[in-house]
Amino acid sequence: SQKIEQNSEALNIQEGKTATLTCNYTNYSPAYLQWYRQDPGRGPVFLLLIRENEKEKRKERLKVTFDTTLKQSLFHITASQPADSATYLCALDPAYSGAGSYQLTFGKGTKLSVIP
Amino acid sequence: NAGVTQTPKFQVLKTGQSMTLQCAQDMNHEYMSWYRQDPGMGLRLIHYSVGAGITDQGEVPNGYNVSRSTTEDFPLRLLSAAPSQTSVYFCASSYSGMAVGSSYEQYFGPGTRLTVT
Repeated sequence: SQKIEQNSEALNIQEGKTATLTCNYTNYSPAYLQWYRQDPGRGPVFLLLIRENEKEKRKERLKVTFDTTLKQSLFHITASQPADSATYLCALDPAYSGAGSYQLTFGKGTKLSVIP
Repeated sequence: NAGVTQTPKFQVLKTGQSMTLQCAQDMNHEYMSWYRQDPGMGLRLIHYSVGAGITDQGEVPNGYNVSRSTTEDFPLRLLSAAPSQTSVYFCASSYSGMAVGSSYEQYFGPGTRLTVT
């Protein structure tokens, strides 16, 4: 069966360190993978998309890697801050047809806490 | 732009009651979706629409109906509420993604917290 798994339910990290979150998937061949941030009581907010032909994507202090051989994406936050504390979700579209995404499958999320 | 709006924010229903969760977007997005989020289960797709007049089922459609008569609105109807439908419901919308370099990002509403007793 198809699965998308985020290995850690929770991750605590000291302020200023790099946080690394993992997303693994099985029985998918996604054309891309997305990462979202969700704060308590709010809807998810899009952060980054990485395509299957991209090894790495950066946006400010965020970096995402995508290894289609390992079937894994890593999400890094460098110089982490308490304001980065949130739940981070990875998502992929199992039905991608080239015409856009409208039925994402999400991992359960990793709750990141950045300790001052 | 208001983005994606959902009403109500909170709702308590008794088993067997019906209700409609409202969702609207003002970004002229073709695609709209409904997800539910439960502890330990993550977000799961209920129904989705690729345009006005077109809807289809997602992973967990049973007990829910949708319709899309306009581009802006995508209401979710609970036909006969059950305790298993206690959850937080999110509506999302996105572009069709035909533009070069599209990020395919979904824009989520603030959610409706539903409790069925």
